[in-house]
Amino acid sequence: QKEVEQDPGPLSVPEGAIVSLNCTYSNSAFQYFMWYRQYSRKGPELLMYTYSSGNKEDGRFTAQVDKSSKYISLFIRDSQPSDSATYLCAMSAGSLAQKLVFGQGTRLTINP
Amino acid sequence: ETGVTQTPRHLVMGMTNKKSLKCEQHLGHNAMYWYKQSAKKPLELMFVYNFKEQTENNSVPSRFSPECPNSSHLFLHLHTLQPEDSALYLCASSQDRASGADTQYFGPGTRLTVL
Repeated sequence: QKEVEQDPGPLSVPEGAIVSLNCTYSNSAFQYFMWYRQYSRKGPELLMYTYSSGNKEDGRFTAQVDKSSKYISLFIRDSQPSDSATYLCAMSAGSLAQKLVFGQGTRLTINP
Repeated sequence: ETGVTQTPRHLVMGMTNKKSLKCEQHLGHNAMYWYKQSAKKPLELMFVYNFKEQTENNSVPSRFSPECPNSSHLFLHLHTLQPEDSALYLCASSQDRASGADTQYFGPGTRLTVL
């Protein structure tokens, strides 16, 4: 069993839709939960992170962590074509920089 | 130059060639990382350097040889690679590996093709 599972997609939705991206994990020691966004021909960039359980909101983006179910989500409201990218979940037991374990990434396309 | 830069951006090499990938960070960080990103697979951490010392080698084959001459520069020397080594090689840096709130900043990657 992989430590982190993420549906690779691809996922294609119309502009303005609400997008839900998800990851499951098996290691209960994970404390930091991150979402990276990777545009084509670019490296990943940190979008949001959450420490332990709960929700975090940043503009149109909301990250949720449910440690009891070992499940994390990223919601994108009012999706825009500029949100088209690959979204990678990543997790760590130690910190945001230590021993990150990544999911496969979900390729998302927002159609105008 | 700002952030993390990588050269070359694209590299095609034969299995008998020797080449090197270069990474430079302009962020004043002390930790640097090499990752391999293959299609439909998660990012794989290859090597970690903290204050120029290698602190992690994730069972990477010896045909990949890292070098970190200082905290700003990281190299990945390649020799006698296999076609399955074709991938995007990403470099990242962070302030300090042990810092709790620190994050990793990635370069744009080198797209490597081994013929």
